[in-house]
Amino acid sequence: AQSVTQLDSQVPVFEEAPVELRCNYSSSVSVYLFWYVQYPNQGLQLLLKYLSGSTLVESINGFEAEFNKSQTSFHLRKPSVHISDTAEYFCAVSDRVTDKLIFGTGTRLQVFP
Amino acid sequence: KAGVTQTPRYLIKTRGQQVTLSCSPISGHRSVSWYQQTPGQGLQFLFEYFSETQRNKGNFPGRFSGRQFSNSRSEMNVSTLELGDSALYLCASSRPGLSTGELFFGEGSRLTVL
Repeated sequence: AQSVTQLDSQVPVFEEAPVELRCNYSSSVSVYLFWYVQYPNQGLQLLLKYLSGSTLVESINGFEAEFNKSQTSFHLRKPSVHISDTAEYFCAVSDRVTDKLIFGTGTRLQVFP
Repeated sequence: KAGVTQTPRYLIKTRGQQVTLSCSPISGHRSVSWYQQTPGQGLQFLFEYFSETQRNKGNFPGRFSGRQFSNSRSEMNVSTLELGDSALYLCASSRPGLSTGELFFGEGSRLTVL
């Protein structure tokens, strides 16, 4: 069975500082990896995904994540955060057979001015 | 292209009542998944429907049920509501066959049980 661990439930950071949201997964088969973002009072939106190929994937708003197979991690990073990045971020994994998506418990990123 | 639409957005029920939530997927998406989101438990998978058949099921009691219609619209029902059922219920649609697991979410139905 697959599982996803997001070690940090909350990450406070000042504007323009760098941030890393950690995600580790467990799976016995090859997986796809995702980061979703949820802004207040909204549903989840896909931020970025790793399906295959380059292990470094980027989003249009400056986030990036790197798939590390040996460490079974898919940490999310941004070199300089904005107030508007305040949201909850969910890491998710799906295996390549069932397509079933399993989510982590989420990390609330709070950006302060 | 319209996104995933969930109705109602907000509702309040009392213990023992039942509730039905509706989800209209993105046009062309034939798979619909339901998730329960609570502050303590995060996102918990309820079930997935594809072509009117339940394809996957999470670990929820039988009070939680769902169905999918021929036009891919889906409903979920919770009977004999309990206080702990208060949550944001999220619906997501996808296109199986792409084998990516990517989901497109609606804004959710927030259920409060008093």
